[in-house]
This record gives sequence, structure tokens and C-alpha cells, in this order.
Amino acid sequence: AQKVTQAQTEISVVEKEDVTLDCVYETRDTTYYLFWYKQPPSGELVFLIRRNSFDEQNEISGRYSWNFQKSTSSFNFTITASQVVDSAVYFCALPRGGYNKLIFGAGTRLAVHP
Amino acid sequence: NAGVTQTPKFRVLKTGQSMTLLCAQDMNHEYMYWYRQDPGMGLRLIHYSVGEGTTAKGEVPDGYNVSRLKKQNFLLGLESAAPSQTSVYFCASSPPWTVINQPQHFGDGTRLSIL
Repeated sequence: AQKVTQAQTEISVVEKEDVTLDCVYETRDTTYYLFWYKQPPSGELVFLIRRNSFDEQNEISGRYSWNFQKSTSSFNFTITASQVVDSAVYFCALPRGGYNKLIFGAGTRLAVHP
Repeated sequence: NAGVTQTPKFRVLKTGQSMTLLCAQDMNHEYMYWYRQDPGMGLRLIHYSVGEGTTAKGEVPDGYNVSRLKKQNFLLGLESAAPSQTSVYFCASSPPWTVINQPQHFGDGTRLSIL
């Protein structure tokens, strides 16, 4: 069965610290995508990244980077030099059952303090 | 670009009342979805639609009905609201089936409280 586990419920860091959010998944599919979404305090869901299971290269976008490892079924998200604006709930998601339906992890609440 | 628009943004209901949440998208997306978000549980799929006139059950469909009479609109109905349906509801849309695994675009959510 498809499953996404975000074991870290809440993380608290001080500004400028690096922080890694973990995502572990289970899937029966041989090819698949993984997604990360951000939910800031204002409540909307913001798409961050989509990765294909074919591509295990790390992805970097500014202060954000993603490490995808099929061998450990993990798709971890690192924020370098965190800022207060990074405070949000972050969700990892995996497609399930076609038609672009997603199954979400429970989310990790990140609090970045000045 | 409005994207996905949900109305209303907030609503308080009494147990047993009915209401309809409206979702409208202007991106010509074939697929639309309704999720609910509860603390510690992420988002769970209630119902979805893969085209005008079609609907299907998701993970937690009980107590909800949906309709997709027009391609751009997806309605979520609560016939007899229960306190367990207190949640934040998100609508999302996705490009056509030929563009698989594209990110879903989400509305801003509807916060619904059932007393």
C-alpha cells in the first residue's frame, strides 16, 4: 500500500541554522513522483518540488535542497540558513491510484525563531 | 490569475444543518479534488472528479456528496453536518490525464466548524 511517513511532528530552530525534514515512503509502483508542499501560517498550500523516481540527483533551489534515495525510500528536504519566513508546515506527498490523486504525510511543523 | 477559488472561507454550522462548499478553477483542469485537513493527519481525500459529470470516492467519503456539473466547478455538500466534520477543507485541481503526475493546485481552504 502507498504510505508516506513524516516522523518529525515539530521542529524548532534558531534563525540561520540548517534543518532537514524527513520523508519516508512506501509504494508498489516502480516509477513514481514525490512532492513537497509548504503550508505557511496563512493556510494556503504552496507547491515546492516534484521529483521523478528515475532521478536520484540532489535538487537545489536557493536555500532549499532535496535528497532522494530510492534505496532507503526517503525524500528529505533541507533548508540551509533558515529564516523566520520558513516557518510553516511542510508536507511530503506521493501519488496513489492514478488520476493524480495524492496521499500526504502528516506534515512537519517548522518553527524558526529569530 | 485566480487559480482555484473556494467559497466561503469560514463557516460555522449547527449539528444537522446542511451546506455546500464551492470550488471554482479557471485553469481548464480536468481533475478536481476535495480534501480535509485535520491536526496531525495531513490531508485526506474525500472525493474527486476526473471530468465534467463524473465523481468518485476518495479515502474518507462518508457524510459528503459532490457534484461536477460544469468543468470549472466542483461542489462539496454536507447533508447533515456532524461535529466530526469540523475541519479545514481544501479543493485542488490538476491538469488533464495526458500530463500525469503534475502538481495539484490548491485553493486557500475553507475553515468549517460544526457546533
